Amino acid sequence: GENVEQHPSTLSVQEGDSAVIKCTYSDSASNYFPWYKQELGKRPQLIIDIRSNVGEKKDQRIAVTLNKTAKHFSLHITETQPEDSAVYFCAAKFYFGSGTKLNVKP
Amino acid sequence: KAGVTQTPRYLIKTRGQQVTLSCSPISGHRSVSWYQQTPGQGLQFLFEYFSETQRNKGNFPGRFSGRQFSNSRSEMNVSTLELGDSALYLCASSDSGLEETQYFGPGTRLLVL
Repeated sequence: GENVEQHPSTLSVQEGDSAVIKCTYSDSASNYFPWYKQELGKRPQLIIDIRSNVGEKKDQRIAVTLNKTAKHFSLHITETQPEDSAVYFCAAKFYFGSGTKLNVKP
Repeated sequence: KAGVTQTPRYLIKTRGQQVTLSCSPISGHRSVSWYQQTPGQGLQFLFEYFSETQRNKGNFPGRFSGRQFSNSRSEMNVSTLELGDSALYLCASSDSGLEETQYFGPGTRLLVL
């Protein structure tokens, strides 16, 4: 099956700074890479995704980049806000990274 | 459309018992997948059902099983419960494909005593 690794496990930033979370995957046949945000006590929800035919996708303050050759993809959040504080998961097929707990300090 | 629903939301069982959890996908979705979420292990894939057939399977022991009905609703069963089975069990549905957005239910929190 697929193996997804995610770093860092925790990330603390000051409000307004940028945050970057990185993931690697093992199965070169994977073509779809979503990112989910899970707030405390809530279900994971998709925030952005990317398919293998593009290298970058942006949605307001959130962007995802993909390097298929190196088999890694990253989530970039700019101008972070306290409401961005949550656990973020990357995924490939049915396999999820171990999660990154992002804390945005006001 | 209504979102993914799961019942029950909370459950307390004792070791050795069995439990059945239910998941109703978004209307029209044919794929249902199940995950175990624990603080130490993150989101672990159990299995995926599509058109009443188990299409993909994670790395869990045979005590964990599931099924899917013709209306796409799915159930997950855990037999001979162990303390380590205490977790949040999430199901997710998607339209049909292997690589699509998954929409998660609220989860069933299982506590095994």
